[in-house]
Amino acid sequence: GAGVSQSPSNKVTEKGKDVELRCDPISGHTALYWYRQRLGQGLEFLIYFQGNSAPDKSGLPSDRFSAERTGESVSTLTIQRTQQEDSAVYLCASSFQGASGNTIYFGEGSWLTVV
Amino acid sequence: QKEVEQDPGPLSVPEGAIVSLNCTYSNSAFQYFMWYRQYSRKGPELLMYTYSSGNKEDGRFTAQVDKSSKYISLFIRDSQPSDSATYLCAMINSGGSNYKLTFGKGTLLTVNP
Repeated sequence: GAGVSQSPSNKVTEKGKDVELRCDPISGHTALYWYRQRLGQGLEFLIYFQGNSAPDKSGLPSDRFSAERTGESVSTLTIQRTQQEDSAVYLCASSFQGASGNTIYFGEGSWLTVV
Repeated sequence: QKEVEQDPGPLSVPEGAIVSLNCTYSNSAFQYFMWYRQYSRKGPELLMYTYSSGNKEDGRFTAQVDKSSKYISLFIRDSQPSDSATYLCAMINSGGSNYKLTFGKGTLLTVNP
């Protein structure tokens, strides 16, 4: 596609439910990132994929969070047993190879509200 | 101390004003510096990308990097209401984690007609 595509764009879920957020990166981009942005805050790094491997998942806040990537393309971020503090926009980004010297493109985000 | 500090504002200016946005950082390994613009309920969009120290100009936008002071700036000339957005600085280091952007909190800018 022309840009990074994320779905759903908005999600309201009840506390304790699981949610899956999907990211379709730009075709040919080997690097894929997930960031979280809470209201009024900067972007918080969650996880980095190079191909289908995740060499850095240091930003995942707890074991309720997991992510995978398949076919060096689509990625899914899963949040289990959601809590109210998980409410945020989850942004996916991709770049050709790594970030240094390469432009990182962001999607529009998945806006998650946990009630 | 956070790695990247950015005054969140809000900053409100009249149309046509020169806007100065700034970030400071503590990690001397940062080598790549970016400014992103984020409109309300949209994803960040890259505005400027600079490597190491110096200036870069693109239309009404100028990015400056002073590595000796660990200070970066974005100047917007002849500001327009369409420039109203949150501006995020971001940095990448040259070391082992040279894939990861570290962001400031963002500055909310409003340009009034």
